[in-house]
Amino acid sequence: AQSVTQLGSHVSVSEGALVLLRCNYSSSVPPYLFWYVQYPNQGLQLLLKYTTGATLVKGINGFEAEFKKSETSFHLTKPSAHMSDAAEYFCAVTRSGAGSYQLTFGKGTKLSVIP
Amino acid sequence: DGGITQSPKYLFRKEGQNVTLSCEQNLNHDAMYWYRQDPGQGLRLIYYSQIVNDFQKGDIAEGYSVSREKKESFPLTVTSAQKNPTAFYLCASSLGDPYNEQFFGPGTRLTVL
Repeated sequence: AQSVTQLGSHVSVSEGALVLLRCNYSSSVPPYLFWYVQYPNQGLQLLLKYTTGATLVKGINGFEAEFKKSETSFHLTKPSAHMSDAAEYFCAVTRSGAGSYQLTFGKGTKLSVIP
Repeated sequence: DGGITQSPKYLFRKEGQNVTLSCEQNLNHDAMYWYRQDPGQGLRLIYYSQIVNDFQKGDIAEGYSVSREKKESFPLTVTSAQKNPTAFYLCASSLGDPYNEQFFGPGTRLTVL
C-alpha cells in the first residue's frame, strides 16, 4: 500500500535561508507525487508534481523538488525563504483502488519563517 | 472563473443533528472527493466519486453519506452516527487519471456543540 512520511511536523527557518521539507514515500508501482501548500483556513493549492521524465521538478513560488527513486524521496526545497512562505505543506502520492485513483497525504509540515 | 465552491465557510450544529455540506465544481471534472482534516492528521479520505451516480467509501466513511446526482455537485452529509464530527472538511475534484492533480475548495469548518 502506498504511504507518505513527512519528517518534521514543524520546521522553522530564517527569512532568506534555505527551505528543505522532507518527504519519503512507499509505493509498489512507479509513483506520481505531489506537493501542496495550505494557508490558514483555506484549501490546498498545488505547488508541483512529478509524473514521469525529468526528476527535478520546478513549481510555483520558487519551489522545486527532486524525485529520487533509490531513496524513495521527494523533498521540497526553496533557496531563499520569504515571509509569505509560512504555511503548511503536504506531500501526496497516488494510490489506486476499485478501478480509480486517489491521493494518500502525509501528515503535513508547518513552515514558520522568522524575520 | 472555474473552480470549486464549498458552503458554508463555517457551520455550527448541535450534537445529534445531521448536517449537509455543499460542494460544487464548474471544472467539468469527472472525479470528486471529500476529505476530513484534523490538526496533525493530514487529510483523510471520506468518500470519492469517479462518475455520476457512483461513489465509493474512503478510509473513514463511517458516519458520513454522499450523493452524486449531477456531475458538478457532490454533497456530504455528516450524520449523528459520526462520533467526533468537529473538523475542517475539504472537497476536491480532478480529471480522474493518476497523474492529474486534485483541485481543492476553500473548505467548511464544522463545529458540533
